[in-house]
Amino acid sequence: GIQVEQSPPDLILQEGANSTLRCNFSDSVNNLQWFHQNPWGQLINLFYIPSGTKQNGRLSATTVATERYSLLYISSSQTTDSGVYFCAVERNQGGKLIFGQGTELSVKP
Amino acid sequence: EAGVVQSPRYKIIEKKQPVAFWCNPISGHNTLYWYRQNLGQGPELLIRYENEEAVDDSQLPKDRFSAERLKGVDSTLKIQPAELGDSAVYLCASSGGGTEETQYFGPGTRLLVL
Repeated sequence: GIQVEQSPPDLILQEGANSTLRCNFSDSVNNLQWFHQNPWGQLINLFYIPSGTKQNGRLSATTVATERYSLLYISSSQTTDSGVYFCAVERNQGGKLIFGQGTELSVKP
Repeated sequence: EAGVVQSPRYKIIEKKQPVAFWCNPISGHNTLYWYRQNLGQGPELLIRYENEEAVDDSQLPKDRFSAERLKGVDSTLKIQPAELGDSAVYLCASSGGGTEETQYFGPGTRLLVL
C-alpha cells in the first residue's frame, strides 16, 4: 500500500517563528489533506490540496504531485498552533485516507 | 452548520464487556467513515459507508466489531466483547462526495478497556 512519511517527527518553536512541515508519499494520489489535531484530540481540516498551493491566514500548503510531496508552512507561530499535524492521502476517489505518523509541534511563549 | 457529532465522548469498561459508539454525520453527507486512532499514531480506517452500504470493511475485525448505518444517516459501531487492545480513540468522519472529497472528523470517543 501507499506509504506516507512526515518530517520532522517533533518540532519546538518559539512564538513568532516560522516552520515548514513535510509530507512524502510513495504513489500518485487523488486526495491529500492536512489536519491539525489539537490537545483535546479534535482533528481539524486545514487544507484539501492534492496539487497546487493554497493559503489560509498564517498557514499555507503546497503539493507537488509529480514529485510526491507536500509542504505545510506555518508563519508567525502562536501557542495555539501547538498539537499534532497530520498529512493524509487517498489513492482513489472515495477511498480511505492513509495518515502519516504526524509532526508534533510545540510553540513556547 | 453542525459538524460531525459523536457520543459518548469517553467510555471506560472492563474487558469482555460490550460497548457501542454513535455518530451523526454532517447533514447531506453520503459517505461516513469510522477510524481508530491508537496513542501516538495516525487514524486508521475501520469501515466506510456510502449511504447504507458498507463499501470498505476490510480493516474491521469482524469477529468482535460490527457496524451499521440504518437509513443512510447516523451510524453505530459496536465491540463485543472488548479486549484490552481495543483501548483507543474511535473517530467518525463524513464527506459530501462530489469532486472534493474533504473528510470532516468528529471529536471522537476515547475508549479505555480495563
